[in-house]
Formats: sequence, structure tokens, C-alpha cells
Amino acid sequence: RKEVEQDPGPFNVPEGATVAFNCTYSNSASQSFFWYRQDCRKEPKLLMSVYSSGNEDGRFTAQLNRASQYISLLIRDSKLSDSATYLCVVTWGGATNKLIFGTGTLLAVQP
Amino acid sequence: EAEVAQSPRYKITEKSQAVAFWCDPISGHATLYWYRQILGQGPELLVQFQDESVVDDSQLPKDRFSAERLKGVDSTLKIQPAELGDSAMYLCASSPMTSGGHNEQFFGPGTRLTVL
Repeated sequence: RKEVEQDPGPFNVPEGATVAFNCTYSNSASQSFFWYRQDCRKEPKLLMSVYSSGNEDGRFTAQLNRASQYISLLIRDSKLSDSATYLCVVTWGGATNKLIFGTGTLLAVQP
Repeated sequence: EAEVAQSPRYKITEKSQAVAFWCDPISGHATLYWYRQILGQGPELLVQFQDESVVDDSQLPKDRFSAERLKGVDSTLKIQPAELGDSAMYLCASSPMTSGGHNEQFFGPGTRLTVL
């Protein structure tokens, strides 16, 4: 089983649509959870952290279910500029707290 | 805004040649990471430095890869000899600190390596 699993997509959605991405992770010792965004041929950038209580940043909502080892990202009112790859990321525990990345989910927002 | 610098941005080499990549982290960031990202996959950690010390190189293919951060500031990743399967994006990232909590990792623009 992969350490972090995501549906690679692509998700093709029209502008204004709501889209949800899911992610599962295998290490129950993981402590921190994130969504990173990566534009084509660019470096990853932190989109938002994910907390057990759920958190929202504008049109973006992230949720964590520790019992199911499941993370989600919801994007409302999709914009053309949201087109990118969304990487689910967890820390692996231990002293180094290294990040484990999923393969990413490609989102293409259509005009 | 402070950024992580990497060079070169692109490198084309023939198999069995040696290549080297350079990274200059954000000033003051103690932790430096080298990742490899193969097309269609997420970044995979190769090596992590805390200041000048290696704290994790479990995924570094040590028969051909080496990394150093001699003065705890900039870092070099070397591959010798390069193989076809090494073609990938090599990303450097830095963060202010490590254990005791997570700090955001800031990524550089990457070096795209093509091995012919």
C-alpha cells in the first residue's frame, strides 16, 4: 500500500463548480497534514494545513479524519486559476518529521 | 520575499557523466531538503540536513548520489555516474527548523535533469 494515496485525475470541471479531492495515508503516527499546490513545471507551494477540526481559507476547505486516515480538500466556485496539481502531504513522524507526498491530483478548470 | 535559489535550472547530460546541483536556502533556515520528483509523481525526499549534519538520507542511492552542506548554508547534490532513470526534477527546500513541530517547507524552482 502506498504511504499517501490520491486519485491522479484529471478532474475537468467548469468554472464555478465545486470539486472535492480525497487522500488516504497509511501511517497512523502521522502528526501533520497539508495540501500543496503545484503549477505545471513549477515548484510545490503550501496551500493550507489540515486540522482535525477542519479549516477554511476562502473558497478552500480542508478536513481530516484521523480514525479513517483520510484527508479532503473542497474547492468552491472554481476559477480558471485553480488549475494545477494538488498534492496531499503528511509528516511521517519521528524526529525528522519528513514530508511524504502523494502523487497529486490534476485539476483542470474549463471556461 | 526571500526565496530558495537553485542552479542550474536545466541540465542535459549523457549517461555515465557526473552532474552537480546547487541550492542556496532562505537565509536563517537551518533545515535543508533535497527531493526528486519524477514526472507524474510527488516529490520524494532524498536527503535532509539540519545545519551541516545529515539527519535523513535513507532514500539516497548512496552508490551514485552524494550531498553536502559543509558550512550549514548552501548545499550541493551530486550524481556520478548519471543513469537514464535519474531523469527528473530535483527540488531543494528549506525550513526554519525541524523537530518539535512542523514548519512550512519553501521550495526552490528546481533543476530539471535529462539523461540521454
